[in-house]
Amino acid sequence: DVKVTQSSRYLVKRTGEKVFLECVQDMDHENMFWYRQDPGLGLRLIYFSYDVKMKEKGDIPEGYSVSREKKERFSLILESASTNQTSMYLCASSSTGTGTGELFFGEGSRLTVL
Amino acid sequence: DAKTTQPPSMDCAEGRAANLPCNHSTISGNEYVYWYRQIHSQGPQYIIHGLKNNETNEMASLIITEDRKSSTLILPHATLRDTAVYYCIVRVAPDNNYGQNFVFGPGTRLSVLP
Repeated sequence: DVKVTQSSRYLVKRTGEKVFLECVQDMDHENMFWYRQDPGLGLRLIYFSYDVKMKEKGDIPEGYSVSREKKERFSLILESASTNQTSMYLCASSSTGTGTGELFFGEGSRLTVL
Repeated sequence: DAKTTQPPSMDCAEGRAANLPCNHSTISGNEYVYWYRQIHSQGPQYIIHGLKNNETNEMASLIITEDRKSSTLILPHATLRDTAVYYCIVRVAPDNNYGQNFVFGPGTRLSVLP
């Protein structure tokens, strides 16, 4: 089975802390994505990457950065966490080229910033 | 903004067919219709996609109108485990796989009742 694994299901951090959210996929996918999901706002794209060391801003990149040093791993970084970054964070991956074009999602990481 | 319109919620009796409508009146000729679902506290899961022909897989059937302005996802024998939020998404052809084309709206919350 294809798998996208997020490092933590639940995190609690304090305002101002640096937060790392890790995502690993085992499908050799070129594309990886970070979304956040909030009640009433749906899923919003933060950043995505279509190759190692490449990154593109999504719809809401402010306050976030990303790192993709290896094809299978895509990290989301909150340099200085704030309470408005309390959310569910979802990682996804997809393959470039022909196929279904579907996104494969991880289970999500629920971050609470106090 | 999402290019689709879905009812916010629907109920379905267990064992009956669940028919989830989606309006995508501005769909372009090269855009596919994708359906995902999200069970509580999990990442979204791909269900099915299509361009203009009706599609069926082990999970569901997708009926697309001839003018492609609307579609219906059919779960033929709904079970309690099908209770979830269902998202209808239109995006360009699968060989352009950048995730920014996946715009998740609020979806339809399907409740399967015993």
